Parts: sequence; structure tokens; C-alpha cells
Amino acid sequence: SQELEQSPQSLIVQEGKNLTINCTSSKTLYGLYWYKQKYGEGLIFLMMLQKGGEEKSHEKITAKLDEKKQQSSLHITASQPSHAGIYLCGADYGGSEKLVFGKGTKLTVNP
Amino acid sequence: DAGVIQSPRHEVTEMGQEVTLRCKPISGHDYLFWYRQTMMRGLELLIYFNNNVPIDDSGMPEDRFSAKMPNASFSTLKIQPSEPRDSAVYFCASTQNRVLRFFGPGTRLTVL
Repeated sequence: SQELEQSPQSLIVQEGKNLTINCTSSKTLYGLYWYKQKYGEGLIFLMMLQKGGEEKSHEKITAKLDEKKQQSSLHITASQPSHAGIYLCGADYGGSEKLVFGKGTKLTVNP
Repeated sequence: DAGVIQSPRHEVTEMGQEVTLRCKPISGHDYLFWYRQTMMRGLELLIYFNNNVPIDDSGMPEDRFSAKMPNASFSTLKIQPSEPRDSAVYFCASTQNRVLRFFGPGTRLTVL
């Protein structure tokens, strides 16, 4: 089974609505990264979380890491068409610089 | 800063041909990563370097793939011979502090 699961696989929301994307690990995380990708482009780094219970925000995007360090959520408040894209979580399990990525969540925001 | 630079952006080749992908990391970054992205398997790490030395190449699919980093400002990923299943988007990324912030725009490879 997949080490890192993202849900949902895709999400369609109306502009202005809030939404949440989840990333669940089968093992304890050393760190968790969130990225955004637009079609045909590279990944854009959003945030990194390392401490259990940590929460970070950037503009209207908030990411949290649970106390057990096995699950993270990405929350977008009052979504806009500019938020559309693929959101990927990347897991750092410690011991090296490798990241394991989830399959991504495709977000569509309808005006 | 121009960011991580990759070339070519698109490559279409025929099965059996040699393919070379190029990457210029951000100046001063001492880690360089090569990732491959496909619909089926998502984003997978192929190999990464630290100070031009390969640290982990366990993700390299097979002997047809090779990567080099002759100096701090240049890396190549070579596939010889190429096969249709190698079709994917190949990303290069660099960092200087383990926090992987900077990805290149990717090379979309199509092997016919």
C-alpha cells in the first residue's frame, strides 16, 4: 500500500468556498512539505511542518501537522481561481534528504 | 536569480535513441535532486547529489539511466537506450539547507 496517501484525489469547488486537503502517512514523519503545481510547470514550495501540532499560514492557505506527526491538512479559506492546481504533500522520514510524495490533489475553483 | 534551469523543456525521441536532460541548480546550492513524474506512479526520486557526489541512486530504474554532476553548476540525466515507458516529466531541484524549496520547470520527455 502507498506510504503516503492524499485525499481527495480531485476537488471541484465554487469560488469563495473553503476546502481541506489531507495527507496521511503510514509512518511517523520527520517533516511534511506542501507544494502546488500548475500544469506544465514545476512545483512551488508552500510550507514545511516539523513539529507535532504545528500550524503555518501563507495568505489564505493554512497547513497543520497533527500531534502524532502522521497526518497533515491543508486548508484554503475563501478559494479563488488562482488557487487552482495540483497540491502535493512530500514526506521527510528522516535520515536522508529524500522526500516521498503523495499522488496529489487536483483542485478546480469555478468562478 | 533565474531559479533552477532545465533543458530542453520538451523532448520527443524514438525508442532506442539516447536522451540527455540538463540541469543548472541555483548558485550556492549544494544539493541537487532528479525526480520523475508520471500519472501512474506520481513523483519519484531518481537520484540526488551533495557537493557533486551522488548520495543515493536507489531510485534509478535500471542501467539505462545514468546521472552525473561534473561541477556545482551542472548536472545531466542520460537515458540510453530510451524506451516508451520512460515517457514522463523529469524535474531537477536544488537546495542548500535540506528544505526542498526550488524545483525547475521540468523536461517533458516523450519516447515514441
